[in-house]
Amino acid sequence: EADIYQTPRYLVIGTGKKITLECSQTMGHDKMYWYQQDPGMELHLIHYSYGVNSTEKGDLSSESTVSRIRTEHFPLTLESARPSHTSQYLCASSDIHRGQGTDTQYFGPGTRLTVL
Amino acid sequence: QKEVEQNSGPLSVPEGAIASLNCTYSDRVSQSFFWYRQYSGKSPELIMSIYSNGDKEDGRFTAQLNKASQYVSLLIRDSQPSDSATYLCAVRNRDDKIIFGKGTRLHILP
Repeated sequence: EADIYQTPRYLVIGTGKKITLECSQTMGHDKMYWYQQDPGMELHLIHYSYGVNSTEKGDLSSESTVSRIRTEHFPLTLESARPSHTSQYLCASSDIHRGQGTDTQYFGPGTRLTVL
Repeated sequence: QKEVEQNSGPLSVPEGAIASLNCTYSDRVSQSFFWYRQYSGKSPELIMSIYSNGDKEDGRFTAQLNKASQYVSLLIRDSQPSDSATYLCAVRNRDDKIIFGKGTRLHILP
C-alpha cells in the first residue's frame, strides 16, 4: 500500500487568498507529481519533480507554483486563488529507477478545492 | 493524435460477464503500461502494470499487451457491481513521462 498523504482533503476559500496544498510521501520516491482533475474529466499534469531542487511545469498551464526542498515533501501554492481554480488536486509519486515494478505512480487521496 | 486513447464509454456489462477495456498509444518506444481504477470522487488506484508482450494475470484481472499493434487491454472476469468505475490507461513515453488516457467508464449491470 502506498504511503502518500495530502492535506487538507477539502478546502473552501475565498477569491484572492493564498493557499498551499501539502503532499508528503514516506516511500523515499524521487519523482513527485501534481495533477488537476475536474469531475468526470481526465487527469492533467500541472507540475512534476525528479528530485530535490528539481521542478518542472507539466502539460497544463497553471498559475500555481511548487517547491521540492525535501525528498518527501512537494507542496503546491496558489498565490491568489480564483473560482477557476476550483478542482480536485491529486499528488502522486514514483521511484526514479526504471524497470519492472519500480516506476509505478502511486496517488494520494486528493484535495478538493472550492474557491468562492 | 492523442498519445493515449480510450473509448470514454460508458461500457455496460452484465454481472458475471467479462468486461474488456481497450487502449491504444502512439509512442512506439513506450515500455511501461499501467491500468488504474478510479471510483467517482476518489483518486486512481493501480490495478496492474505490464511491460512485456502477452498476457499478465492477477486474480480476475488480465492485462494484454501488443507492442507491434500499440495497444493494451484489460479484461475483468466475473464482473461484479463493485467493478463499476472509470478505468484509466497510462503509458510511460520516450520522454519518461506517464501519459494518462481519458478513461473508460464501466458500468456493471446487476
